[in-house]
Amino acid sequence: DAGVIQSPRHEVTEMGQEVTLRCKLISGHNSLFWYRQTMMRGLELLIYFNNNVPIDDSGMPEDRFSAKMPNASFSTLKIQPSEPRDSAVYFCASTNPGAGGTQYFGPGTRLLVL
Amino acid sequence: GNSVTQMEGPVTLSEEAFLTINCTYTATGYPSLFWYVQYPGEGLQLLLKATKADDKGSNKGFEATYRKETTSFHLEKGSVQVSDSAVYFCALSSGGYQKVTFGTGTKLQVIP
Repeated sequence: DAGVIQSPRHEVTEMGQEVTLRCKLISGHNSLFWYRQTMMRGLELLIYFNNNVPIDDSGMPEDRFSAKMPNASFSTLKIQPSEPRDSAVYFCASTNPGAGGTQYFGPGTRLLVL
Repeated sequence: GNSVTQMEGPVTLSEEAFLTINCTYTATGYPSLFWYVQYPGEGLQLLLKATKADDKGSNKGFEATYRKETTSFHLEKGSVQVSDSAVYFCALSSGGYQKVTFGTGTKLQVIP
């Protein structure tokens, strides 16, 4: 079975540009989590969804960040406008109740904002 | 609220040495406990888990026992290999929506 798929794997952009990160959940999973990882702050939960509905977005750092789940298998995380301090690795992870709490992570998108 | 505390890294060991990474937690209810591993350039992946008190999770020679009385879930391996070099995250899941609370991670470096 395919795991969680993220695209792009690497993104280099200039400050002020819009960035869209994409995530495809494992088939049959109904919960989706977006994380950000940096050396300084470690792993941070940004937002999570259950059955396409955002449950908690308290980790989203600013209004420049937004996330959507247009359908049950796909999610986007958008940063507009991007800033150098947004440079990080962004992970999504999916799960379902049958997984007993185990989350399945994608390979991550490494974002560099110049 | 829920929290996970794990030992600071980095931890540097020689090949075949014994490994312990300490983890304690605070949680409401009856959490499930996890160890995840992150290899360089990759996402986190589940290493082992335990869902109730006194359960022992094990995988790839790693073990951890769910100790409710000490609220701990220490990771151990009897003989580490260079290929075990990675960052290890202790975590717990409690309540609905399968939300997981992660520790800060412990970097392990194994030298030949």
